[in-house]
Amino acid sequence: GDSVTQTEGPVTLSEGTSLTVNCSYETKQYPTLFWYVQYPGEGPQLLFKVPKANEKGSNRGFEATYNKEATSFHLQKASVQESDSAVYYCALSDEGGSAKLIFGEGTKLTVSS
Amino acid sequence: AQTIHQWPVAEIKAVGSPLSLGCTIKGKSSPNLYWYWQATGGTLQQLFYSITVGQVESVVQLNLSASRPKDDQFILSTEKLLLSHSGFYLCAWSLQGGREQYFGPGTRLTVL
Repeated sequence: GDSVTQTEGPVTLSEGTSLTVNCSYETKQYPTLFWYVQYPGEGPQLLFKVPKANEKGSNRGFEATYNKEATSFHLQKASVQESDSAVYYCALSDEGGSAKLIFGEGTKLTVSS
Repeated sequence: AQTIHQWPVAEIKAVGSPLSLGCTIKGKSSPNLYWYWQATGGTLQQLFYSITVGQVESVVQLNLSASRPKDDQFILSTEKLLLSHSGFYLCAWSLQGGREQYFGPGTRLTVL
């Protein structure tokens, strides 16, 4: 079945440093890929989606490129802020009628000032 | 603008007692609706989805059931809670045919 694998966390960074969270996926279909962010005690928020291979998604300084050949979708940010501390999930939606979202295990990011 | 409301915000229940959690979506007509469960510190697991009133599909049951009595309402319930039901329950919506899902604020359930 479909699956998503993320960088094992937690990740601790200093403000101003760069972030990479690795995400790889397996599917036999043509997926739409997403990154979500979840703050403590809240529901996940959609960060951005990338529907097509070799395209980039971005929002709030975060970006990711859908690499179909490598089946990867790594999240990057050049300079993190303390307010970026949260759990980040990559997710995959296949072409099935249920619009089922399969989430990775999540990567907890803590940014210290 | 669309809003998603979940109730209650939090529940503490005894093992073996019944449960009903609710979700309403305002500002969107005929959305797809979803229930997710999240263990503390864990990832999100889709439980049910519904594309129309009265129609609910199960993804993973976990001894729970779901119903959609109205276009804007989604209910999650069980007659007998287990310790393993503890966690964070999230309702989400998407447009018909859309892939992006938007989540509600969640309900924290503690089963003792």
